[in-house]
Amino acid sequence: QAVVTQEPSFSVSPGGTVTLTCGLSSGSVSAGHYPGWYQQTPGQAPRTLIHTTNIRSSGVPDRFSGSIVGNKAALTITGAQADDECDYYCVLYIGRDISWVFGGGTKLTVL
Amino acid sequence: VQLVESGGGAVQPGGSLRLSCAASGFTFSTYDMHWVRQAPGKGLEWLALIQYDESNKYYAGSVKGRFTVSRDNSKNTLYLQMNSLKPEDTAVYYCANKVGHHFDSWGQGTLVTVSS
Repeated sequence: QAVVTQEPSFSVSPGGTVTLTCGLSSGSVSAGHYPGWYQQTPGQAPRTLIHTTNIRSSGVPDRFSGSIVGNKAALTITGAQADDECDYYCVLYIGRDISWVFGGGTKLTVL
Repeated sequence: VQLVESGGGAVQPGGSLRLSCAASGFTFSTYDMHWVRQAPGKGLEWLALIQYDESNKYYAGSVKGRFTVSRDNSKNTLYLQMNSLKPEDTAVYYCANKVGHHFDSWGQGTLVTVSS
């Protein structure tokens, strides 16, 4: 089964910019994996931020953007705010299996 | 869109449980639906997808043969029948509607605890 990799943790200063990445053990991430990004605060359900590589979900501020950089999907947060401090999960669609695989998540600290 | 999971609780290893996900605010019968879980302190794990008309169902390897996804479009409800439960199935279970290739709206989850 495919393994999706994310940085376990990351720090950013308030107002700063951070890029979280999402890789695939078996090769490169492409648009065909329809990368998605989900935000989760403790005790809450995930919230959809970005889907299909770079499409922001309704109500998501444009400080959040998605892309593919090199062989990985990326989530960039500009102008980081204190309430951006939470967990971020990426997910890739594996078409040959008709399955979805989540990364282990990145715990973002804003300090 | 509102998704409300129920049916979670404590069960012994080897036992069974059926989760429900009540949908409202959208035309449930036209959407494929996912189940996703999250073990305590761990990440998200996709479990299953059922197409809008039950024509196809897909499962993660970790639950294939033990879990069965179904739906009743007349009741706007999604189900997850879980059999042969193991301690490692302890998790919060979420349902989500599928839009395109992604998870759109999520329920608040229901906790399943498998322990003797």
